[in-house]
Amino acid sequence: QKEVEQNSGPLSVPEGAIASLNCTYSDRGSQSFFWYRQYSGKSPELIMSIYSNGDQEDGRFTAQLNKASQYVSLLIRDSQPSDSATYLCAVNPLYSSASKIIFGSGTRLSIRP
Amino acid sequence: EPEVTQTPSHQVTQMGQEVILRCVPISNHLYFYWYRQILGQKVEFLVSFYNNEISEKSEIFDDQFSVERPDGSNFTLKIRSTKLEDSAMYFCASRRNQRDPTPLHFGNGTRLTVT
Repeated sequence: QKEVEQNSGPLSVPEGAIASLNCTYSDRGSQSFFWYRQYSGKSPELIMSIYSNGDQEDGRFTAQLNKASQYVSLLIRDSQPSDSATYLCAVNPLYSSASKIIFGSGTRLSIRP
Repeated sequence: EPEVTQTPSHQVTQMGQEVILRCVPISNHLYFYWYRQILGQKVEFLVSFYNNEISEKSEIFDDQFSVERPDGSNFTLKIRSTKLEDSAMYFCASRRNQRDPTPLHFGNGTRLTVT
């Protein structure tokens, strides 16, 4: 079982619409959850962090966490062409003594004009 | 805002050669990490480092790899005898402390090409 799973996409969304990205994780004790954006050839860039059940909003981005279902999502409102990138879900598993984060394979998002 | 810096941005080496990738973590951070990303694949954890020793490593981090903090600012990843399959982007990251749930801060990466 993969530790962090995401649909690889590509997910194509029209400009101005809401993009919805999903992620599941296997370690039930995980405490910290992150969404990173990665442009081709670049390093991961933090978009959102979420640590407790519910929603966390920052501008056009909303992260949602449901620990009972082991599910994290990211909503991007009013999608812009610059949002076209690969979105990486990352989890800090409880078993890690060094607080490493584990990445999913990423979902490629394409915003079409 | 403080940044993690990595050098060089691109390193080309021949198979069997040793390479050293360099990182300067954020100055008040205590936990340091190396990740790698083979082209088209996921970002994979290699190793974490705290208090001048490895705190956790993955299966990828075999005897060909080593890490060091030679002084108060640099954090290095050495690959002793590079293989073709070591070609990847290598990212350094740091965190203030273990109990701090804040995310890792990543450097811009070093693209390693082994020919």
